[in-house]
Amino acid sequence: DAGVIQSPRHEVTEMGQEVTLRCKPISGHNSLFWYRQTMMRGLELLIYFNNNVPIDDSGMPEDRFSAKMPNASFSTLKIQPSEPRDSAVYFCASRRETYSNQPQHFGDGTRLSIL
Amino acid sequence: GNSVTQMEGPVTLSEEAFLTINCTYTATGYPSLFWYVQYPGEGLQLLLKATKADDKGSNKGFEATYRKETTSFHLEKGSVQVSDSAVYFCALISGAGGTSYGKLTFGQGTILTVHP
Repeated sequence: DAGVIQSPRHEVTEMGQEVTLRCKPISGHNSLFWYRQTMMRGLELLIYFNNNVPIDDSGMPEDRFSAKMPNASFSTLKIQPSEPRDSAVYFCASRRETYSNQPQHFGDGTRLSIL
Repeated sequence: GNSVTQMEGPVTLSEEAFLTINCTYTATGYPSLFWYVQYPGEGLQLLLKATKADDKGSNKGFEATYRKETTSFHLEKGSVQVSDSAVYFCALISGAGGTSYGKLTFGQGTILTVHP
């Protein structure tokens, strides 16, 4: 049973470039979450989708960040233009939204370095 | 609002020592509680969970009991191994009347290092 799949695993790029991170949730899961993890700030929830609709994007740092979920099996997080302070590990997680408080399942993350 | 507080780390133990990582929470409604583990270079993995008061979650020798009276969910293991070295996160999902909101509230994480 495949877990949450993220790509790329590592990304190194120069500041000002556009960065696109990709996520394939677990089949049958209808909620998807994007997180950012840094040493200074820990785990931060950026945005949350339910049934492909963004429900809470209050964690998105600024307009340079955008996220989409065009269908139930794919989501992207885009940073344009990128800045060195965006360097972090970005995680995607998915869950089956039910009335039984199912856990989130995380991908292995994308380690992003902006030079 | 919801919050999770974990004991500050890092925690350093010798192999076969007893482990406790404290976790307390505040939440509205009837939260479900989770422990996640993050090994170096990897994502977060669900370690164990408990969905109602007095439930005990267990996995890989780790245990945690949902204590509503003390709003706690402490993680314990009787004999740690070097391979348990990782970051441990306590988390909750708050729901009321059986409704799931889906958003996890995390503690800050506790780094555990186990020496041979």
